[in-house]
Amino acid sequence: EVQLVESGGGLVQPGRSMKLSCAASGFTFNNYDMAWVCQAPKKGLEWVATISYDGSSTYYRDSVKGRFTISRDNAKSTLYLQMDSLRSEDTATYYCARLIYNSFAYWGQGTLVTVSS
Amino acid sequence: DIQMTQSPPVLSASVGDRVTLSCKASQNINKNLDWYQQKHGEAPKLLIYYTNNLQTGIPSRFSGSGSGTDYTLTISSLQPEDVATYYCYQYNSGYTFGAGTKLELK
Repeated sequence: EVQLVESGGGLVQPGRSMKLSCAASGFTFNNYDMAWVCQAPKKGLEWVATISYDGSSTYYRDSVKGRFTISRDNAKSTLYLQMDSLRSEDTATYYCARLIYNSFAYWGQGTLVTVSS
Repeated sequence: DIQMTQSPPVLSASVGDRVTLSCKASQNINKNLDWYQQKHGEAPKLLIYYTNNLQTGIPSRFSGSGSGTDYTLTISSLQPEDVATYYCYQYNSGYTFGAGTKLELK
């Protein structure tokens, strides 16, 4: 059974950093591209970033370029999102997802990040 | 950037109804479109990929169609467990979700 479990969320002050993790199990992690998708409170979904199966390629939405870094450790079957220079508008639940081609086939349960002073 | 417009924003329907949700892209997206279902308090779930392909385990009452800029998700006979918000998502150029259609029971 595919499982994706996010962790690392919480309350953080504006301008500070936070690193999210997503532990994967139930599939061969290094065979799949992975992504982060976020959802602000009571709002819709937004794609955040994607990383290729081997980590060689990364893609970001414009609003997080230069601030967020997606990475992965295939030996640990874990996906990461390093978030720097956080802003109030980054407040959201962050989901990790396993991609099949460009579709988010499996999702974690999400971790809430609240950026506030 | 490609904009995705979903309509209606809220839809009320009765159990057993045939329900149609619409998604319109600001330019041709060449069928590169998925539909996701999100129930209250849960993570989204993939229903339909590449316009009309049913994801494994999804009931056959769900179907998708469309081309060019106009796409549709149809539920042939609405069930109580289908109450959710439905999002379309394009990956033809960049990656964009629609704002969602909230489906309620009448």
